Amino acid sequence: EVQLAESGGGLVKPGGSLRLSCAASGFTFSDYSMSWVRQAPGKGLEWVSSISSSIYYADSVKGRFTISRDNAKNSLYLQMNSLKAEDTAVYYCVREVYTIGAGGRGFNWFDPWGQGTLVTVSS
Amino acid sequence: DIQLTQSPSFLSASVGDRVTITCRASQGISSYLAWYQQKPGKAPKVLIYAASTLQSGVPSRFSGSGSGTEFTLTISSLQPEDFATYYCQQVNSFPYTFGQGTKLEIK
Repeated sequence: EVQLAESGGGLVKPGGSLRLSCAASGFTFSDYSMSWVRQAPGKGLEWVSSISSSIYYADSVKGRFTISRDNAKNSLYLQMNSLKAEDTAVYYCVREVYTIGAGGRGFNWFDPWGQGTLVTVSS
Repeated sequence: DIQLTQSPSFLSASVGDRVTITCRASQGISSYLAWYQQKPGKAPKVLIYAASTLQSGVPSRFSGSGSGTEFTLTISSLQPEDFATYYCQQVNSFPYTFGQGTKLEIK
């Protein structure tokens, strides 16, 4: 069974740092792009960052967050520095699935999602 | 950045109803759109990808259509377990973006 399990969330003061981890199992981790998506309390979903052969960040976290992976440990990470109150959210680790559809076009989507880990930034 | 606007934001319906949720993109995204369902306290799960392809294991009462800038998610006959929040997501280009969500409530 494909599983993703986040850890590392917690309460941190504004300006502080936190490192999230995501342990993957049930699939060949190195074959997939991985991402982080967050959801502020009572709000919608916000894509944060993705890592494949390239790395991408949302403007809201660029320069403060760093995504990385260790394929030998089947793990994804998110180093979060200079945290702000608006970074308070549940952070989900997601696998990006890619398939070639009709006509040879590639399509991707997020599946599965981890259970999420809550990050609270407050003094 | 590509903006996704879902309508309606809230929808009240009854078991057995047919409902449609619309997702409009601020620029063309071909068929690079996915739909997710999220229940309270749970992680989202994918329903539809490539705008109209049903994810394995998802009931056939769910369907998706559209391309370019306008997309729809249709539930043909609402079941009690379908009351949840639904999100569209574009994967045409970074930054990936989500719609604001549509909360489907029991009438």
